Amino acid sequence: DAKTTQPTSMDCAEGRAANLPCNHSTISGNEYVYWYRQIHSQGPQYIIHGLKNNETNEMASLIITEDRKSSTLILPHATLRDTAVYYCIVSLSGNTPLVFGKGTRLSVIA
Amino acid sequence: GAVVSQHPSWVICKSGTSVKIECRSLDFQATTMFWYRQFPKQSLMLMATSNEGSKATYEQGVEKDKFLINHASLTLSTLTVTSAHPEDSSFYICSARDQMGRADTQYFGPGTRLTVL
Repeated sequence: DAKTTQPTSMDCAEGRAANLPCNHSTISGNEYVYWYRQIHSQGPQYIIHGLKNNETNEMASLIITEDRKSSTLILPHATLRDTAVYYCIVSLSGNTPLVFGKGTRLSVIA
Repeated sequence: GAVVSQHPSWVICKSGTSVKIECRSLDFQATTMFWYRQFPKQSLMLMATSNEGSKATYEQGVEKDKFLINHASLTLSTLTVTSAHPEDSSFYICSARDQMGRADTQYFGPGTRLTVL
């Protein structure tokens, strides 16, 4: 079973920041927080991951709370192409398979 | 970023035939690959873990004699659906671990849509 809780759906206006929350209150000390997204009929796309520090890359920022029980994925300037299902996954790194929950369906609206 | 390909992207077959799906890591070597399937309006479900040079590890409820996995090289894993039936129609997705890349994480292929008539 997935170890994360995410809202079922969210809307965001084009050009605004999209903030996607994720609760993972049972995360253990050596588990990472991964974010992937899946655009309709495609394979999931890796976005970002982190252990305890905040992370940023060309796609997004990941903010992890100090107690590590929740995190937020931030897409700074959402575009229509960011419409997808976003999955927050808690997992050990590397060889551990990723367990997908139901994710958050983000709709970016013009 | 790391690229994973799948072939074919879609396939339609008759009931009782076998179908082979290939998963390749194009710009990295992957000792571990994973196979998932996804039914309409559902999330991805892990089927098996494929390790290069050894037998695959299947998840509970996945028939190893029906879903044959071969991981003969560091860049290729294959999934063969044997004696396919309509209930096997699904979206099959592989992922590969890039342990030498900037992020030790898994990258997914584009998926293969299987339709069994």
